[in-house]
Amino acid sequence: GEDVEQSLFLSVREGDSSVINCTYTDSSSTYLYWYKQEPGAGLQLLTYIFSNMDMKQDQRLTVLLNKKDKHLSLRIADTQTGDSAIYFCAERRGSYIPTFGRGTSLIVHP
Amino acid sequence: DTGVSQNPRHKITKRGQNVTFRCDPISEHNRLYWYRQTLGQGPEFLTYFQNEAQLEKSRLLSDRFSAERPKGSFSTLEIQRTEQGDSAMYLCASSSGKEEQYFGPGTRLTVT
Repeated sequence: GEDVEQSLFLSVREGDSSVINCTYTDSSSTYLYWYKQEPGAGLQLLTYIFSNMDMKQDQRLTVLLNKKDKHLSLRIADTQTGDSAIYFCAERRGSYIPTFGRGTSLIVHP
Repeated sequence: DTGVSQNPRHKITKRGQNVTFRCDPISEHNRLYWYRQTLGQGPEFLTYFQNEAQLEKSRLLSDRFSAERPKGSFSTLEIQRTEQGDSAMYLCASSSGKEEQYFGPGTRLTVT
């Protein structure tokens, strides 16, 4: 199976919260990342969390890490149409090479 | 802050031709990475450099793929004898050795 798994699609209404989930397999992961990719563009780093943390908040973004279940989530508060994009979860172990999931396509509708 | 830049942004080539892409990293970053992204997938790691040294190249997809970073600044990725299966977005990223990698806008390759 894949090292990093994400659901492929999420649809939310503007103003609601979005929660994008990710699971990973390697318990030795040291860093976990969330990237955003808009159509035709590269990846934009949104936030990351160390494996010794369980939560990180940055403005509208909240990352939760459950190491026991190897589960990572990204919550976007007050989701806007500009948040529509593909969101990638990635994990990195001791090397500098992250492994990415397939991405979750977030669709925000009025 | 100019960020990571990649050229060209789009490349259309005929099967069998060679192509070369360029990446200019953020100036103070000593690590540079190449990835390939196909439709519906996340980035797939190809190779990376620390300064001018290529530290990992076993994930290059075949011997038709090669990368250089001769002076530890910009890098080039070359694909020889392109095949239709090489059509993808090629992404470059750089880092200063800390946790974050910063990505360029990518080069979209179409092989006809």
